[in-house]
Amino acid sequence: DVVMTQTPVSLSVSLGNQASISCRSSQSLLHSDGNTYLSWYLQKPGQSPQLLIYLASNRFSGVSNRFSGSGSGTDFTLKISRVEPEDLGVYYCFQHTHLPWTFGGGTKLELK
Amino acid sequence: EVQLVESGGGLVQPGRSLKLSCVASGFTFSNYGMNWIRQAPGKGLEWVAYISSGSSYIYYAETVKGRFTISRDNAKNTLYLQMTSLRSEDTALYYCARRTTGDYWGQGVMVTVSS
Repeated sequence: DVVMTQTPVSLSVSLGNQASISCRSSQSLLHSDGNTYLSWYLQKPGQSPQLLIYLASNRFSGVSNRFSGSGSGTDFTLKISRVEPEDLGVYYCFQHTHLPWTFGGGTKLELK
Repeated sequence: EVQLVESGGGLVQPGRSLKLSCVASGFTFSNYGMNWIRQAPGKGLEWVAYISSGSSYIYYAETVKGRFTISRDNAKNTLYLQMTSLRSEDTALYYCARRTTGDYWGQGVMVTVSS
């Protein structure tokens, strides 16, 4: 199985500052069809996860442009610029290139 | 508005069975693949199963293969998860989510496996 390793496990940021989360996969996520099936989600407290980024760098409809995804192969990053209170929660990366599909362990974004 | 509403959860004894449903609205259900994803209490997310729009492609996590069956009824806009031989480690909040990317999720339904 592809192991998705997220770092850090928790992240304390001040409002208005930038946050960066890393997600590394144990195998390349480049599919034979040329796509990289890596998504990012935010799960706010008490809510269902919500899609932020798909195909590693594409922002989902309605997602703030303060969120950006980058990376390729086995190394991926989610950046949140100018952190706002509604950004707090747990962030997950997810790969659906290789079966079985797998999630990262999560990164909890908290206020400093 | 896309809506996914799960139901069918509850308390069940180890070894017993349970069937979850997810009713979809606000989009053409028959055009989209669907997933079941679960979250044990206080833990992270675990992908469980996927079914393509026409049920031609079905995939499972190893932890549930042979015990769980994903299916769908496109005429009823409903996704199902038949769970058999339930174990304590299957205790979780079960979400249905649209597409391989999981672009929309339901609110989840709780399954508790305990004697």
